Amino acid sequence: EAQVTQNPRYLITVTGKKLTVTCSQNMNHEYMSWYRQDPGLGLRQIYYSMNVEVTDKGDVPEGYKVSRKEKRNFPLILESPSPNQTSLYFCASSSLGTGGYGYTFGSGTRLTVV
Amino acid sequence: AQKVTQAQTEISVVEKEDVTLDCVYETRDTTYYLFWYKQPPSGELVFLIRRNSFDEQNEISGRYSWNFQKSTSSFNFTITASQVVDSAVYFCALSESDNNDMRFGAGTRLTVKP
Repeated sequence: EAQVTQNPRYLITVTGKKLTVTCSQNMNHEYMSWYRQDPGLGLRQIYYSMNVEVTDKGDVPEGYKVSRKEKRNFPLILESPSPNQTSLYFCASSSLGTGGYGYTFGSGTRLTVV
Repeated sequence: AQKVTQAQTEISVVEKEDVTLDCVYETRDTTYYLFWYKQPPSGELVFLIRRNSFDEQNEISGRYSWNFQKSTSSFNFTITASQVVDSAVYFCALSESDNNDMRFGAGTRLTVKP
């Protein structure tokens, strides 16, 4: 089954404790992206990657890191999480140059930073 | 840059009422794609429809219908005879031509009361 898998689904952590949210897709998509969703703001892009070793900032990259060492994986790293990073996070993927087909989304990761 | 506006933050209706969710977009591209997603309380994003800029035909799928009007840059979504299970947050999104970047509106929270 074609899918984007995010883990964990839920995470509660403390301020300053490094964490990684994993994202993996099995569709051989070149393009992968991370969004955060906050009430009243919709989904905002954090980082995206157009292929292996190619990543770029989205609209809200501060406080996040990503890496793309393999085509299928695109982890989101919070080196020193803060409470304002409490949010619902989505990973998405698509074939490059096919924006018209939209994304395949992961199930989301609900992160709480206390 | 593309932009999507969903002016209705929250809508509440009684079951069996019809309801229309508004979406207004901005883009300079002549080729673009519009999407609607549903986010039920469980949190995942469920794809509802994709429409390209060259196809202005309205679409109906069961109780759902979409009205695309390029003249007013709108892509509105109507639910006929609403049901409690329609309660969710609905997002409108825009992607330009072959650009993989998808922009989302802030979302409209629909509550259908029995």
